[in-house]
Amino acid sequence: QKEVEQDPGPLSVPEGAIVSLNCTYSNSAFQYFMWYRQYSRKGPELLMYTYSSGNKEDGRFTAQVDKSSKYISLFIRDSQPSDSATYLCAMSRPNAGKSTFGDGTTLTVKP
Amino acid sequence: SAVISQKPSRDICQRGTSLTIQCQVDSQVTMMFWYRQQPGQSLTLIATANQGSEATYESGFVIDKFPISRPNLTFSTLTVSNMSPEDSSIYLCSVTAGPQYFGPGTRLLVL
Repeated sequence: QKEVEQDPGPLSVPEGAIVSLNCTYSNSAFQYFMWYRQYSRKGPELLMYTYSSGNKEDGRFTAQVDKSSKYISLFIRDSQPSDSATYLCAMSRPNAGKSTFGDGTTLTVKP
Repeated sequence: SAVISQKPSRDICQRGTSLTIQCQVDSQVTMMFWYRQQPGQSLTLIATANQGSEATYESGFVIDKFPISRPNLTFSTLTVSNMSPEDSSIYLCSVTAGPQYFGPGTRLLVL
């Protein structure tokens, strides 16, 4: 079993929809939780970064961490065609250096 | 945060040749990571490069094929040696500065 499992997708939604992207994990030592957006043929771009449990909001994006359930989510409100990309979740232990990544979910937002 | 640049951004190479990819970070970091991402696949860690010591390679990757240099705390190189078409991929440099940050990637096509 992988340490991080990400809903595989692909996901296709109409413009303006609310998108929910999800990951589960098995290692309770993870304390840092990240979401990356990756456009085709580009490097991953850090989108959201949270520590421990709770919610964090940045514009149309909300990251949610539920450590009791070992479950994290990224919500995108009022989705736009420019949000079409692959989204990667990642998590790490304190002082671990590198993160453990999900396999990514490809999102397409149709105009 | 960390800003990472990579050179070259893309290249087309003949089989049997070697290519050296450069990674420059705008701040001093202890660990730098090299990833490979084959088309349609998730990130695969090649090695971790610490300044002043030998790189640590992940299972399936060897120093003879992917030699790495780390001369200082802001710079690293990855060489892809004796290339074959199977080496066609995006190669990504990454550092941890709080969360993990990625460079824009080097797109390599081996003919």
